[in-house]
Amino acid sequence: QQQVKQSPQSLIVQKGGISIINCAYENTAFDYFPWYQQFPGKGPALLIAIRPDVSEKKEGRFTISFNKSAKQFSLHIMDSQPGDSATYFCAAKMGNTGKLIFGQGTTLQVKP
Amino acid sequence: GAVVSQHPSWVICKSGTSVKIECRSLDFQATTMFWYRQFPKQSLMLMATSNEGSKATYEQGVEKDKFLINHASLTLSTLTVTSAHPEDSSFYICSAIIYRDRLDFGPGTRLTVT
Repeated sequence: QQQVKQSPQSLIVQKGGISIINCAYENTAFDYFPWYQQFPGKGPALLIAIRPDVSEKKEGRFTISFNKSAKQFSLHIMDSQPGDSATYFCAAKMGNTGKLIFGQGTTLQVKP
Repeated sequence: GAVVSQHPSWVICKSGTSVKIECRSLDFQATTMFWYRQFPKQSLMLMATSNEGSKATYEQGVEKDKFLINHASLTLSTLTVTSAHPEDSSFYICSAIIYRDRLDFGPGTRLTVT
């Protein structure tokens, strides 16, 4: 019930391509869905986030698509760059507790 | 702007000793902080919720007597790993609510127990 399932585990994309990472959840008590980017040896950094009353949010090259009925959301990275190579985590916040439950992570490699 | 900092960034200790990790909120007050643990190439696992002025709330399976959390002020939470063993070696990351739902993370502390 508290799980967030993320796929794929790893992804290789050519420079300029679109990177797509998917997440799914079961618990309808989740009310906030952020994506984090993490480089080796560093803490995660917030990329973009969405609430369940919105179907899409775009910030620069990053877009979240949210499907409330399917309980799925995805991150699209347009015009992927080698500097985007990192591990990406989706997450879901549990109601008013503030707790974030993380997906398993996706290691993205963008080839020049 | 609001920043979450951690100290130290890495620490090596001998088996059986204790080590303290500090998490500070800079330029904002954090009544609630969260401690996560991350093993290599794995996801972040929530260990506990740290509330200023009260006892921490631990997630199922986390030993509260081993991982002591103290949130003595609105800008500081500490995690003490007591009687550390090699299996406690991990990346420990704290986080705090910056505003509304946004949760920012510290840079992490790499703990190696020899």
